[in-house]
Amino acid sequence: NAGVTQTPKFRVLKTGQSMTLLCAQDMNHEYMYWYRQDPGMGLRLIHYSVGEGTTAKGEVPDGYNVSRLKKQNFLLGLESAAPSQTSVYFCASSSPSNTEAFFGQGTRLTVV
Amino acid sequence: AQSVTQPDIHITVSEGASLELRCNYSYGATPYLFWYVQSPGQGLQLLLKYFSGDTLVQGIKGFEAEFKRSQSSFNLRKPSVHWSDAAEYFCAVGVREYGNKLVFGAGTILRVKS
Repeated sequence: NAGVTQTPKFRVLKTGQSMTLLCAQDMNHEYMYWYRQDPGMGLRLIHYSVGEGTTAKGEVPDGYNVSRLKKQNFLLGLESAAPSQTSVYFCASSSPSNTEAFFGQGTRLTVV
Repeated sequence: AQSVTQPDIHITVSEGASLELRCNYSYGATPYLFWYVQSPGQGLQLLLKYFSGDTLVQGIKGFEAEFKRSQSSFNLRKPSVHWSDAAEYFCAVGVREYGNKLVFGAGTILRVKS
């Protein structure tokens, strides 16, 4: 009963490096999301997907790219990491029938 | 645009005391409303949700919340706080349009003193 699984859980990057965060869900949900969490700002939506092969921009998309090649996976990429991208990243999934979202455990990313 | 305001950044209560965390939202239609809890270093766990019907909703861990349309509020309450309730609490509104996105408040950090 895994739910939403994120890998890795921790990562340290140097400025300018690239990386991909992986999110996998086993609930057959159509919708998937990437949020970032920063102190005092709650969670802000980066990108989201309403189905395999579709993606859309959220509130804070700059500096990130995403892909949804398979229904169960949603990848978040940073092409050239910046210190401002130091954050905790959460993936979530939901079904179209309601807006209840199920969250992964988060990835703590530090860019130095 | 949709928004959620949690006016209290930090709240400290004594163990056994009652708790109320405030949440106000801005949304043009009938809202879906949620409260999530996050323990340090953990993900978000759903405490309770309101979609329609009874405006007083019960959740897990003894929490409840009341939806008041006239005040655009969805305050979270617990009659007697336990030390294990210390965590950060997030209120969110579900935007029922393309993608069913959640808009979160900034969170309230609850400290429990013994």
